[in-house]
Amino acid sequence: AQSVTQLGSHVSVSEGALVLLRCNYSSSVPPYLFWYVQYPNQGLQLLLKYTSAATLVKGINGFEAEFKKSETSFHLTKPSAHMSDAAEYFCAVSDQYNNNDMRFGAGTRLTVKP
Amino acid sequence: DAMVIQNPRYQVTQFGKPVTLSCSQTLNHNVMYWYQQKSSQAPKLLFHYYDKDFNNEADTPDNFQSRRPNTSFCFLDIRSPGLGDAAMYLCATSRDRGGSYNEQFFGPGTRLTVL
Repeated sequence: AQSVTQLGSHVSVSEGALVLLRCNYSSSVPPYLFWYVQYPNQGLQLLLKYTSAATLVKGINGFEAEFKKSETSFHLTKPSAHMSDAAEYFCAVSDQYNNNDMRFGAGTRLTVKP
Repeated sequence: DAMVIQNPRYQVTQFGKPVTLSCSQTLNHNVMYWYQQKSSQAPKLLFHYYDKDFNNEADTPDNFQSRRPNTSFCFLDIRSPGLGDAAMYLCATSRDRGGSYNEQFFGPGTRLTVL
């Protein structure tokens, strides 16, 4: 069974600073990895996904993530935070064969200070 | 635009009074999912339909049921809501299971309040 661990339930950065949200995964089979963003009282929106092609994945809103098998990590980064990035971010893992087994991390709430 | 629609966005019910939440999709996806998300927690999968095939998670209470009358619609029925069922309920779809079609598309959610 797969699982993900998001390090840090809350992350606070200043506007214009680097955003780094950490995600480590556990999977006995090759994983697919996802980052979703959730704004208050809304559903989840896909930021980006890793599906065994390029290890550096670029997503929407200037976010990117790098799959590092040796570190079992899939950290989310953005060079310069914007106020509109304040939201809850979820990392998720599924295996390449059974999408119904997608598992979410506990989430990281990002706060952006002016 | 192709999308996942949930109605209503906010639902208030009384303790023990049955309630139905609705989800529809214009993506023509094979798979539809229902998640429960409590405050400050990750979404928890309740069950999913692969076409007409219903798949229940082992720890989903019997109080929760689902119907999928056609490809486009899926309903979540809560037979006797308790205070602990107050949550955001998220519907999601994916084109298929596994392979390269496994990205899930989420609706905006229905926030359920139980009085």
